[in-house]
Amino acid sequence: DAKTTQPPSMDCAEGRAANLPCNHSTISGNEYVYWYRQIHSQGPQYIIHGLKNNETNEMASLIITEDRKSSTLILPHATLRDTAVYYCIVVYLGSARQLTFGSGTQLTVLP
Amino acid sequence: DVKVTQSSRYLVKRTGEKVFLECVQDMDHENMFWYRQDPGLGLRLIYFSYDVKMKEKGDIPEGYSVSREKKERFSLILESASTNQTSMYLCASETSSTDTQYFGPGTRLTVL
Repeated sequence: DAKTTQPPSMDCAEGRAANLPCNHSTISGNEYVYWYRQIHSQGPQYIIHGLKNNETNEMASLIITEDRKSSTLILPHATLRDTAVYYCIVVYLGSARQLTFGSGTQLTVLP
Repeated sequence: DVKVTQSSRYLVKRTGEKVFLECVQDMDHENMFWYRQDPGLGLRLIYFSYDVKMKEKGDIPEGYSVSREKKERFSLILESASTNQTSMYLCASETSSTDTQYFGPGTRLTVL
């Protein structure tokens, strides 16, 4: 899998949008961008994924640049429960394979 | 919603004991995974299964075995627990048509 780089930590005020960046400059054409998050002492939670178009679901929006070398996860109205480590990974769509998480971004939502 | 459940959130065992960790998913997913997560080491794959009675070794299978007798259930077995198996154990499942893995809440195992 291609490597990703993320800032180690970010703060966001409650109620504001949280924009989490991710660089994946070596991504290949058949690799998807996935975002997961992990709240302390819980299992990782799938958030969203995309190939090249922007995606939105009930949790977040994913903006992927045209060259696909970077992306941004947007939580439109962050709440205290969104405090977690957010992982951006690239995944080759194929047979079952393991997920490899990097260090992720610790997002802290402040009251 | 996909639901993946694990038999225990916290477990304390003694060295040498046989330990069973169970994982159940309710979405008819073909693929199931067992990971362990340790500080500074990230997620490491122990075993995975892509069908009933099928299993594949991951990166760190030593000291572990698995069982998948039914599609919805994937069990991880520590034949003789050791202190270096103290960890957070995470089960995940996915349908083979996507690469979206859904995780259980995790079992924090302490081996004394």
